[in-house]
Amino acid sequence: GQNIDQPTEMTATEGAIVQINCTYQTSGFNGLFWYQQHAGEAPTFLSYNVLDGLEEKGRFSSFLSRSKGYSYLLLKELQMKDSASYLCAPMDSNYQLIWGAGTKLIIKP
Amino acid sequence: GAVVSQHPSRVICKSGTSVKIECRSLDFQATTMFWYRQFPKQSLMLMATSNEGSKATYEQGVEKDKFLINHASLTLSTLTVTSAHPEDSSFYICSASRGVTEAFFGQGTRLTVV
Repeated sequence: GQNIDQPTEMTATEGAIVQINCTYQTSGFNGLFWYQQHAGEAPTFLSYNVLDGLEEKGRFSSFLSRSKGYSYLLLKELQMKDSASYLCAPMDSNYQLIWGAGTKLIIKP
Repeated sequence: GAVVSQHPSRVICKSGTSVKIECRSLDFQATTMFWYRQFPKQSLMLMATSNEGSKATYEQGVEKDKFLINHASLTLSTLTVTSAHPEDSSFYICSASRGVTEAFFGQGTRLTVV
């Protein structure tokens, strides 16, 4: 079957760094997306990885290891507005996004 | 980035009536559009996939006669919730694909059936 595993909730301090891990099992693989979703809003695109390694984009970086079925999202210099859910979504062989429940990130001052 | 517009953002309707939700890709032609629903604190659940000019492919457990999807052009897809009931109250989100690895989301529609 297809499965996504992320922590349900994480707490971090403003200005700090947090890493959100994701392990996945899919039928085939065509890359992995990270999305941010604020409560009551639609998800917004953060990153896409298809090759192994780290992709850096401003304060956010995303890492992928295809052999391990593992990805992480790294958020630096945390701001209060980063409080949201972060969704790891791999794409399977049919180019369909597989969604988990996401990780709720709480930022404290 | 690409823009996907979803309308309305909120709608309240009476039980038994139908509601239409529009999803438009404003600055690109979407090869495929997806419709999701999301209950509070739960993950996105794919309802159906639609390609322009062909019938939508519904996920298991989603009633095609209740959730009518029309994808008349490369920039517009509509979801009609027919004979809505309170249990249909949810957050409905569309996404449009520009190529197989690019998916952009609309703003979502919060449907409340009273």
